[in-house]
Amino acid sequence: KQEVTQIPAALSVPEGENLVLNCSFTDSAIYNLQWFRQDPGKGLTSLLLIQSSQREQTSGRLNASLDKSSGRSTLYIAASQPGDSATYLCAVTDSSASKIIFGSGTRLSIRP
Amino acid sequence: GAVVSQHPSWVICKSGTSVKIECRSLDFQATTMFWYRQFPKQSLMLMATSNEGSKATYEQGVEKDKFLINHASLTLSTLTVTSAHPEDSSFYICSARGTGIGNTIYFGEGSWLTVV
Repeated sequence: KQEVTQIPAALSVPEGENLVLNCSFTDSAIYNLQWFRQDPGKGLTSLLLIQSSQREQTSGRLNASLDKSSGRSTLYIAASQPGDSATYLCAVTDSSASKIIFGSGTRLSIRP
Repeated sequence: GAVVSQHPSWVICKSGTSVKIECRSLDFQATTMFWYRQFPKQSLMLMATSNEGSKATYEQGVEKDKFLINHASLTLSTLTVTSAHPEDSSFYICSARGTGIGNTIYFGEGSWLTVV
């Protein structure tokens, strides 16, 4: 059974810092991996999607990497801003693309 | 891009009553829909997967008689929480995968249920 773990559970850093969020999964047979952002009381915003054949994806100040063999992904946020404060969720789609399993999330707080 | 709409966004109901949440795919045919539940400060937990015209497949620990899922058309799935209790208060979110959009899964905005 696929399990997705995110470390740390919570992170608080001053504005301007670069930071890394970690995600690990137990079954390397995945279809893709996504990083989502969730603001309090809101739905999900898709940030980056990495297909199983890809190693990384970039969008603006965000860069996500995928190492399928080791079951790891990282989300790198450059030059963090207070507006980046949110919960970041890592989600893995299984190899048959039949379901998505979410990690427990990292609650990020960027201090002005 | 593809859009998935949920309704209502917020609902308050009395304990013991039933409440229905709708999930619609607006611009594609959703052959498969997924329902998740999220308790405060926790992650999303998959409740069930439904394929159009078939009975839903529930995850372990989810009561199928309490959480009724209907996926009668290619654009609509409904989740009915029967005999709701305060512990059912949660954020419910659906997602959908369909024809013509590859295997990408799109998420709805979610529905907040409060049972009083």
